[in-house]
Amino acid sequence: NAGVTQTPKFRILKIGQSMTLQCTQDMNHNYMYWYRQDPGMGLKLIYYSVGAGITDKGEVPNGYNVSRSTTEDFPLRLELAAPSQTSVYFCASSYSGSGGQPQHFGDGTRLSIL
Amino acid sequence: DQQVKQNSPSLSVQEGRISILNCDYTNSMFDYFLWYKKYPAEGPTFLISISSIKDKNEDGRFTVFLNKSAKHLSLHIVPSQPGDSAVYFCAAKEAGGTSYGKLTFGQGTILTVHP
Repeated sequence: NAGVTQTPKFRILKIGQSMTLQCTQDMNHNYMYWYRQDPGMGLKLIYYSVGAGITDKGEVPNGYNVSRSTTEDFPLRLELAAPSQTSVYFCASSYSGSGGQPQHFGDGTRLSIL
Repeated sequence: DQQVKQNSPSLSVQEGRISILNCDYTNSMFDYFLWYKKYPAEGPTFLISISSIKDKNEDGRFTVFLNKSAKHLSLHIVPSQPGDSAVYFCAAKEAGGTSYGKLTFGQGTILTVHP
């Protein structure tokens, strides 16, 4: 029972480099989300998707891009890495967006920009 | 503008006693509240939720209370166990189809349960 899988677990980038954080889920969930967590803070929503081909911005989307070509995968792209993007990134999925349906989280990607 | 606040960064309790974690919110459009537990180097794990039309929800050792007029909720853990030591996040979800299940999180409270 894999659930939500994120890769890589850790990464160090230089300023200006780009990378893609991978997220895949095997629960056939339509809804997927990307959050970032800074030290001592709660999780903040970067982007979300309600199905293949449909994405939208969350609270903190600047500097990021996403795509959703399949139900399973929801990669997050950093084009020009900046020190402010040093954070822990969590991907989540849920069966629906309504009611008390919980989101299921991956174990995160810890990203450092130096 | 923090819509969900957990004002206690940390809480320390003795094993077997009650742990009470608090959460306040400002947005009247929130219709569901969820509690997540997070261990180091892992993702948050769902614990329990409550609808805004209820004032209490119980699941085993975990009970969540909602005071809608005070815009306040709390998570009670009874009895507390050392394995409960983790960061606890309060999260809220807005009503309506256009919310798409987006969660707004509090800052988290670090719970330490001493044997």
